Amino acid sequence: AQSVAQPEDQVNVAEGNPLTVKCTYSVSGNPYLFWYVQYPNRGLQFLLKYITGDNLVKGSYGFEAEFNKSQTSFHLKKPSALVSDSALYFCAVRGIAGSARQLTFGSGTQLTVLP
Amino acid sequence: EPEVTQTPSHQVTQMGQEVILRCVPISNHLYFYWYRQILGQKVEFLVSFYNNEISEKSEIFDDQFSVERPDGSNFTLKIRSTKLEDSAMYFCASREGQGNEKLFFGSGTQLSVL
Repeated sequence: AQSVAQPEDQVNVAEGNPLTVKCTYSVSGNPYLFWYVQYPNRGLQFLLKYITGDNLVKGSYGFEAEFNKSQTSFHLKKPSALVSDSALYFCAVRGIAGSARQLTFGSGTQLTVLP
Repeated sequence: EPEVTQTPSHQVTQMGQEVILRCVPISNHLYFYWYRQILGQKVEFLVSFYNNEISEKSEIFDDQFSVERPDGSNFTLKIRSTKLEDSAMYFCASREGQGNEKLFFGSGTQLSVL
């Protein structure tokens, strides 16, 4: 079965500093990888995805993520954090066949950007 | 940006009662989903719906659950006889079509079963 691990429940970073939110995955075949963000009392919002192509994908709000096949990782990054980036971040993976086609989410990482 | 709309935002019910959670997906989307998130736990897939039928469902989606698209705009999740463990945030999501992987989520319905 496919799975996603987000090893950090909480990440704190100072405003203006770079941020990284970690994600590793397990799936059969080539992965479809996603990052979603959840603000309080809101639904999940799509940030970016990796399907194929360049390992570095750019998404909304200045976020990017790097796909590393050998390490089965898809870490979310941003060069300069903003206080408004504070939210809950979810990594997700899906496979390409049968029930694996549905998104499997990680447990989420709470990002807090300190002013 | 278009939005998925869910009503109500909060639903409180007694154990054993039926509840219907309502969603209006984005109008030109073809794939519809329900996910749930128990407090402090992962977002979990429940069911996907395409072409007026269930395409995939998880182990969570047992006989107590059903989905329906009664008209061209609404997508509902019914829980026939609620249990305490059904208390969760339920998210509806929709996707445009084949080849477009971006899911749009609603803001959720918080279901509390007492």
